[in-house]
Amino acid sequence: AQSVTQLGSHVSVSEGALVLLRCNYSSSVPPYLFWYVQYPNQGLQLLLKYTSAATLVKGINGFEAEFKKSETSFHLTKPSAHMSDAAEYFCAVSGRDSSYKLIFGSGTRLLVRP
Amino acid sequence: NAGVTQTPKFQVLKTGQSMTLQCAQDMNHNSMYWYRQDPGMGLRLIYYSASEGTTDKGEVPNGYNVSRLNKREFSLRLESAAPSQTSVYFCASSASPGGAFSYEQYFGPGTRLTVT
Repeated sequence: AQSVTQLGSHVSVSEGALVLLRCNYSSSVPPYLFWYVQYPNQGLQLLLKYTSAATLVKGINGFEAEFKKSETSFHLTKPSAHMSDAAEYFCAVSGRDSSYKLIFGSGTRLLVRP
Repeated sequence: NAGVTQTPKFQVLKTGQSMTLQCAQDMNHNSMYWYRQDPGMGLRLIYYSASEGTTDKGEVPNGYNVSRLNKREFSLRLESAAPSQTSVYFCASSASPGGAFSYEQYFGPGTRLTVT
């Protein structure tokens, strides 16, 4: 079975501050892990994806995430928040074949204060 | 390049009415998906299609039917709408050759459905 837990439904940071969005997963098989971003009134867009090639994954818009097997975590970070980063962020987990569906977390809304 | 398109963008239905949500992709993707998004619950898979002519149930299929009309189009039908189906519906596609969920999914802009 697979599941994803995102800690914090809302995170607020100041412009220029570090962004840290937390994701913990549970998976019975080696996981594929994703972060998607959703801007207001739009569909989801892939930020980055972990497929076991490297534990530190770099994505678009300056975001990165680190896979920590011992902590079953895949937290998303960005060194310096920009106003345009305000959006909802979803962590998701799947497995290698079609028997493992893409399971989404409940989402974290990032607010960026000027 | 349009990517994934969905129609309509908004819809209001009365309980018991039926409707079909349309989705099309122009990326020559094999796999297509329908999700619903509800506040605080992330996205939940309704149905998916690993290839033209095949469809499979996801996490929340009750009350819905789907048709993979051809490689480009994947429609979602509500036969008798209920207030519990009020949600935002997203269609997505991926290049996955066999329905694996490990490939990037490309999402449409969504359909906001209200059932009164």
